[in-house]
Amino acid sequence: NAGVTQTPKFQVLKTGQSMTLQCAQDMNHEYMSWYRQDPGMGLRLIHYSVGAGITDQGEVPNGYNVSRSTTEDFPLRLLSAAPSQTSVYFCASSRPRGEGEQYFGPGTRLTVT
Amino acid sequence: GENVEQHPSTLSVQEGDSAVIKCTYSDSASNYFPWYKQELGKGPQLIIDIRSNVGEKKDQRIAVTLNKTAKHFSLHITETQPEDSAVYFCAAKIEYGNKLVFGAGTILRVKS
Repeated sequence: NAGVTQTPKFQVLKTGQSMTLQCAQDMNHEYMSWYRQDPGMGLRLIHYSVGAGITDQGEVPNGYNVSRSTTEDFPLRLLSAAPSQTSVYFCASSRPRGEGEQYFGPGTRLTVT
Repeated sequence: GENVEQHPSTLSVQEGDSAVIKCTYSDSASNYFPWYKQELGKGPQLIIDIRSNVGEKKDQRIAVTLNKTAKHFSLHITETQPEDSAVYFCAAKIEYGNKLVFGAGTILRVKS
C-alpha cells in the first residue's frame, strides 16, 4: 500500500491564482481530512469528509473548497490564493468517524506571493 | 469547541535523560488523546494514544498519562536517543467524533 499520497510537494502561486492540491489513499478509509500547519499553531483542520459525497467544515475553512466524489480521492481547491494561505498542507485518512489512528500524507508546501 | 494547549514549545535534553511534554484540554467530553511525532519534511505519525477509561499506557520507552479530573495528559520518553529528536504534537477529540484538535507542538532536541 502507498498509504496517503499528496501532490505536488512544493508549489508557488501568485496572489489571486487558483490551484488544486491532490490527495489520494489506498487503504479504503472512509474518513479523510485536510490540515494546514503553521509555525507555533500546530495543525488546524480545514475540511473533512466522512465518506464519498459528504464533506464538512473544520476550524479554518474560509478560502478553501473540497469535494469527495470517490472514496480514494479528496482534493483541496484554493479558488483565489492569498498570502495568508502560505502554509504546509497535510491530508489524512482513517477508519470511519475518525476512529483510531489518522494516517498523514507527506505534505504540500505552498507559498503565495 | 475544544482547545488544546501544549508545553513546552521547545525542549532540549541530554541523550539518556527523560523528556516530558504536557498538554491540557478544555472540553470534558473529549475521550481520545493521541500523540504524534513529526520528523523533518514528513507528515505526523501516531506514536501512542490513550482513551479516557485508562490513566496510563506504556509502549517501550514511551508512556502517556491522563488525568481526566484536571483535564491534562502528558507524554514521557525515557532513555532518550538522538533519533527521538522531532516535533511532537498532542491532540484531543471525542472518540467517534470527526474533529481532532492539535496542540501547537513541542520541538524536542536530544543532544549526544
